[in-house]
Amino acid sequence: DVKVTQSSRYLVKRTGEKVFLECVQDMDHENMFWYRQDPGLGLRLIYFSYDVKMKEKGDIPEGYSVSREKKERFSLILESASTNQTSMYLCASSLLPTGSGNTIYFGEGSWLTVV
Amino acid sequence: AQKVTQAQTEISVVEKEDVTLDCVYETRDTTYYLFWYKQPPSGELVFLIRRNSFDEQNEISGRYSWNFQKSTSSFNFTITASQVVDSAVYFCALYGGSQGNLIFGKGTKLSVKP
Repeated sequence: DVKVTQSSRYLVKRTGEKVFLECVQDMDHENMFWYRQDPGLGLRLIYFSYDVKMKEKGDIPEGYSVSREKKERFSLILESASTNQTSMYLCASSLLPTGSGNTIYFGEGSWLTVV
Repeated sequence: AQKVTQAQTEISVVEKEDVTLDCVYETRDTTYYLFWYKQPPSGELVFLIRRNSFDEQNEISGRYSWNFQKSTSSFNFTITASQVVDSAVYFCALYGGSQGNLIFGKGTKLSVKP
């Protein structure tokens, strides 16, 4: 079974703090994704990466950055957390090639509260 | 533009009732893929099914069935004899050849009461 593991399930951070959300997958997938989920808005893509050190902006990249130093690990970084970044964050991974419809597998989510 | 619409925000049924979750999509791609995911209260999105645009055969998996109709751009999901464990948010999603990621609908929250 594919396993996507998000290191923190629940975090509470203060406004202005730098926040790291870590994600690891164990299936040698090329693609990795970070989504944000908010009530009434569904899932929105923040960033994705199709290879080590490669990244592409999604629909809502503002206020976020990402890091992919190793194939299995994809980190989401909030440089200066703000209250409007309080949300559930979901990491996902899939095989390439893009557009082939390979199933995207998700982690359990990280609930971030910024106070 | 790619778009997925799940018009039903919330549905509540009593156990053993059948329930259909609607999904309508928009795409200009000729090759695309449609997905359904289940999100239980624990938060993880669980993959349920993937269909490609060239395969319009309906699919049944236990109590779950899916009806794909290209003519109406719909990919509806039916749960037969619903159970309390089916309570979750269900997402329909579209993966097109011209994009690199899934486009999700806003989800339908299903509550199955005993």
